[in-house]
Amino acid sequence: GAVVSQHPSRVICKSGTSVKIECRSLDFQATTMFWYRQFPKKSLMLMATSNEGSKATYEQGVEKDKFLINHASLTLSTLTVTSAHPEDSSFYICSARQRTGGTDTQYFGPGTRLTVL
Amino acid sequence: GEDVEQSLFLSVREGDSSVINCTYTDSSSTYLYWYKQEPGAGLQLLTYIFSNMDMKQDQRLTVLLNKKDKHLSLRIADTQTGDSAIYFCAERLSTGTASKLTFGTGTRLQVTL
Repeated sequence: GAVVSQHPSRVICKSGTSVKIECRSLDFQATTMFWYRQFPKKSLMLMATSNEGSKATYEQGVEKDKFLINHASLTLSTLTVTSAHPEDSSFYICSARQRTGGTDTQYFGPGTRLTVL
Repeated sequence: GEDVEQSLFLSVREGDSSVINCTYTDSSSTYLYWYKQEPGAGLQLLTYIFSNMDMKQDQRLTVLLNKKDKHLSLRIADTQTGDSAIYFCAERLSTGTASKLTFGTGTRLQVTL
């Protein structure tokens, strides 16, 4: 299947700082990418849908000014957690949608574990 | 509604078959998926089924869909220790740019020797 990478895989930061996470589709172009958050032993919670060249669509309850999303190219989306707090500590997973022959398939990145001290 | 439910835990012996079940509430789903997540990793797409299909087989994996009962299952034949992971079912509610996946709660599969 297609490959999606995330960088960094782990990050530890101090409260109040901002952290940027990159998501890249390595072998296909993705007009749509998704950002999820996963709490320990829980399912994935969709945070926002990132569309290339336009503003992201945020799910209810997700603060757009806190979780800044930029989808600057067909292979790159970034999530910036601004002014991070310990409650932002989580596993963040991105996903890129590939559309071939009328079928949509989402491929997921390996995730980024964020720890805010 | 968009609730997707799974049982939390399943333990099987190596070599036996595993059956992981999933129920969903929205009848307008178009595709249903099974993903595998190993510890500390992202999700790996295992297989998917279109909503007008009843069954799909892919090597050791068999997906059964009962649309009337809104029930999806994943059968893993000859389960191996490497199959130990969390398995998520997911449904896609529509096609086009507005479509998104809704994930189930995940089933942790433990394979014992």
